[in-house]
Amino acid sequence: SYELTQPPSVSVSPGQTARISCSGDALPQKYVYWYQQKSGQAPVAVIYEDSKRPSGIPERFSGSSSGTMATLTISGAQVEDEADYYCFSTDISGHHRVFGGGTKLAVL
Amino acid sequence: EVQLVESGGGLVKPGGSLRLSCAASGFIFSSYSMNWVRQAPGKGLEWVSSISSAGTYMYYADSVKGRFTISRDNAKNSLYLRMKSLTAEDTAVYFCARDRVPVGETWFDPWGQGTLVTVSS
Repeated sequence: SYELTQPPSVSVSPGQTARISCSGDALPQKYVYWYQQKSGQAPVAVIYEDSKRPSGIPERFSGSSSGTMATLTISGAQVEDEADYYCFSTDISGHHRVFGGGTKLAVL
Repeated sequence: EVQLVESGGGLVKPGGSLRLSCAASGFIFSSYSMNWVRQAPGKGLEWVSSISSAGTYMYYADSVKGRFTISRDNAKNSLYLRMKSLTAEDTAVYFCARDRVPVGETWFDPWGQGTLVTVSS
């Protein structure tokens, strides 16, 4: 079955740039989406269609995708950005959705 | 206000069955594909199943195929997940989520608050 691969953890100091990667064989043909999940809460999308930001998401969140790798970038990370981040996409058929394993972002 | 409310979770013995429900409101339910996602305690998100707007097409993760059945009742604005042959690995919070847009490649939004399923003897 199709998989998306993320690093388990990323750590930055406040104000630094955090980058979280996501790799998958179908990413050249399929969009990637990024979710933020804080403890005990439902996930919230922070990036859709590779690089678009939903309304209400701060400008410091940005996304890019090239070949089989997508990247979520948080420029000037804040303490409140500490959360688990998941990439999300579909397999090449478009019928099976998949989440990456998740990346725990520490801002300290 | 768009809202999804799951129910039906609880404690079930290994090998048992359970049916989850998701009540939708605030949008034209019959226009959107719907989905189930689960999250085991301390683990990541796992897509479980999706169903098309009319209920014609259903898709499942390999981990649940043959044991879980997704369905919907558009007249009742409700989504269901019938689960059987449950094991401890099915213990998770189960979220109901709507496709963000009615047509095309999209993401899940909004999400419900989740309902906890615990499989234990």
